[in-house]
Amino acid sequence: GAGVSQTPSNKVTEKGKYVELRCDPISGHTALYWYRQSLGQGPEFLIYFQGTGAADDSGLPNDRFFAVRPEGSVSTLKIQRTERGDSAVYLCASSLTGRTQNPNTEAFFGQGTRLTVV
Amino acid sequence: GQQLNQSPQSMFIQEGEDVSMNCTSSSIFNTWLWYKQDPGEGPVLLIALYKAGELTSNGRLTAQFGITRKDSFLNISASIPSDVGIYFCAGQRLKSGNTPLVFGKGTRLSVIA
Repeated sequence: GAGVSQTPSNKVTEKGKYVELRCDPISGHTALYWYRQSLGQGPEFLIYFQGTGAADDSGLPNDRFFAVRPEGSVSTLKIQRTERGDSAVYLCASSLTGRTQNPNTEAFFGQGTRLTVV
Repeated sequence: GQQLNQSPQSMFIQEGEDVSMNCTSSSIFNTWLWYKQDPGEGPVLLIALYKAGELTSNGRLTAQFGITRKDSFLNISASIPSDVGIYFCAGQRLKSGNTPLVFGKGTRLSVIA
């Protein structure tokens, strides 16, 4: 597709369950980011992929959170043993640039997945 | 996590008025960006600033990258109803590769017709 696509758009799950959130970046974009946005806050960084590898996962809050990007395109964010505090909008973004300093680093965001843990 | 200090938190203005919002940080950023987010959507980039002191316009929007590299402002002139939304500043440090964006908490803009 033309833009970043995230599925599902909404997910309601019970506390303790496992969830997977999917991100389909813009074709050809090598960089992919996951952010989490709580109500009334700006997006907060979770993890960044350059190609297939996680270049920076310093934003993942704990080991219940994990993300993969096995073929360097689609990425899945996985949350185990969900807690009510995990409820938020999970945003995915992709950008074209690779490893060099480049001012053309515009990140295009998807519409997000709203996760509600009850 | 770290967030930028963005103000004001919210604004109610009359259609046709000018708007100004700003963002500050205790540390230096190499790039400043301004995004707008509508309900149920992801942020959309409005303006990107890459050099200290840079002043850039995009239609009715004007943004500046502060000389100290620790602040930026966004102005909207002659506001219209479709300007309603949440505006976020974001900073980025560029090293040998991409670094994640650090966002402010947003300015919620309401325009009264």
